[in-house]
Amino acid sequence: GNSVTQMEGPVTLSEEAFLTINCTYTATGYPSLFWYVQYPGEGLQLLLKATKADDKGSNKGFEATYRKETTSFHLEKGSVQVSDSAVYFCALSRRDYKLSFGAGTTVTVRA
Amino acid sequence: NAGVMQNPRHLVRRRGQEARLRCSPMKGHSHVYWYRQLPEEGLKFMVYLQKENIIDESGMPKERFSAEFPKEGPSILRIQQVVRGDSAAYFCASSPLRAGGADEQFFGPGTRLTVL
Repeated sequence: GNSVTQMEGPVTLSEEAFLTINCTYTATGYPSLFWYVQYPGEGLQLLLKATKADDKGSNKGFEATYRKETTSFHLEKGSVQVSDSAVYFCALSRRDYKLSFGAGTTVTVRA
Repeated sequence: NAGVMQNPRHLVRRRGQEARLRCSPMKGHSHVYWYRQLPEEGLKFMVYLQKENIIDESGMPKERFSAEFPKEGPSILRIQQVVRGDSAAYFCASSPLRAGGADEQFFGPGTRLTVL
C-alpha cells in the first residue's frame, strides 16, 4: 500500500538557518506529493505540491522536488523565520480523495 | 469566511464511555472526510461522507465507530465504548466537490481524544 516516511522531530533552529525535512514514499504508479503545514491552534494547510517526476513545488520560500529515482520529496527553506514554527506533514495521493500522511515533523525556530 | 470547525478541541473520556466529535465544514462544502492520527503515526483516512450518505468507510474500524453527515448540522464521528487505543487526534476535512487531490480538501484543527 501507500506510505510516507518523514524525518522525526522535533527540529530546533535559529532564525535565518537552513531547514531540510526529509520525506520518502512508497506507492505504486505515479502519486501526487504534498507538504502540509499546521500552525499552532489551526488546521492543516496545503504548503506546496508536485504532481509528476522532477516537478518542483514552491511557496513562501519553501521548495520540494519530486524525485522518482529516490522516491523522495524533501522540504527545504534557505532562511527560516520564527513564524515558520509549525508541524510539517508530507503526504501523497493516488489522485483520489484518500491522502496518506507522514507522522509530521515539529519545527521550532528561535529568534 | 470561517474555515472548517471542529469541536471539542480536546475530549477526555473514561474507558467504556461514548465520544462524539463534531465537524462543521466550510460554507458551501457538502463533502466531508475524517482522518485519524494515532501517536507517532501519520494521519490515516477513515471515512468520506456527503450529505446524508456514507460514500467510503473503508478506513473505519468495523466495530464501535460510526459517522454521519445529516442534511442539517455538523458531521458527527461517534465512538462507542471507547478504549485506550482510541486515544488519537481526529481531523476533519471538507471540499465543495468530490476531492481529487490534496488542494481540494480544507482541514480543521482536529480534536484530541484522550481515553483514561
